[in-house]
Amino acid sequence: GESVGLHLPTLSVQEGDNSIINCAYSNSASDYFIWYKQESGKGPQFIIDIRSNMDKRQGQRVTVLLNKTVKHLSLQIAATQPGDSAVYFCAEKKAAGNKLTFGGGTRVLVKP
Amino acid sequence: DGGITQSPKYLFRKEGQNVTLSCEQNLNHDAMYWYRQDPGQGLRLIYYSQIVNDFQKGDIAEGYSVSREKKESFPLTVTSAQKNPTAFYLCATAGTVQETQYFGPGTRLLVL
Repeated sequence: GESVGLHLPTLSVQEGDNSIINCAYSNSASDYFIWYKQESGKGPQFIIDIRSNMDKRQGQRVTVLLNKTVKHLSLQIAATQPGDSAVYFCAEKKAAGNKLTFGGGTRVLVKP
Repeated sequence: DGGITQSPKYLFRKEGQNVTLSCEQNLNHDAMYWYRQDPGQGLRLIYYSQIVNDFQKGDIAEGYSVSREKKESFPLTVTSAQKNPTAFYLCATAGTVQETQYFGPGTRLLVL
């Protein structure tokens, strides 16, 4: 069935390096994508979103890239910090749909 | 989470007991959602409400019930019919179902 999934369950990165978290989606009808960050024991926190009419969107230290040709979404975190250690989820929504579909999550571990 | 409050933070349920989880928001959002998260997994939609006095089943509604009598409140009842209720329950809100969802801090439900 339609799904959103992540390639890597755990990503270990050195403090100060850049992190790249990948997400594949299979529903070509999706037109809205979101990245959330979830720290242990807390609710997911919105990071950045992108609509399907865009290829790239930048925020503070984060960039989301959307490749509709291969149905791939990525989140880049620049100069990764210890506070970036968390689980990151991608989510998709179909055009005119009411629900988000979440991927399984990638854990990012930042090494000092 | 900001204007989204979930209580209690931890909840214990005895066998055969119904329990109700609270979600309150002061963001004036029309849409509200309940998700379930199991350890190491993504989020699964239980119920959602687009507007007061309306709600729709999500992907795993069996064993749960909701009400939406007020815009600010969307309580979730975990009934005795839910045989595996132990999970982290997350409430989310959005201006409308077309807009970004923001999450509360969550309630962890444990079975005694």
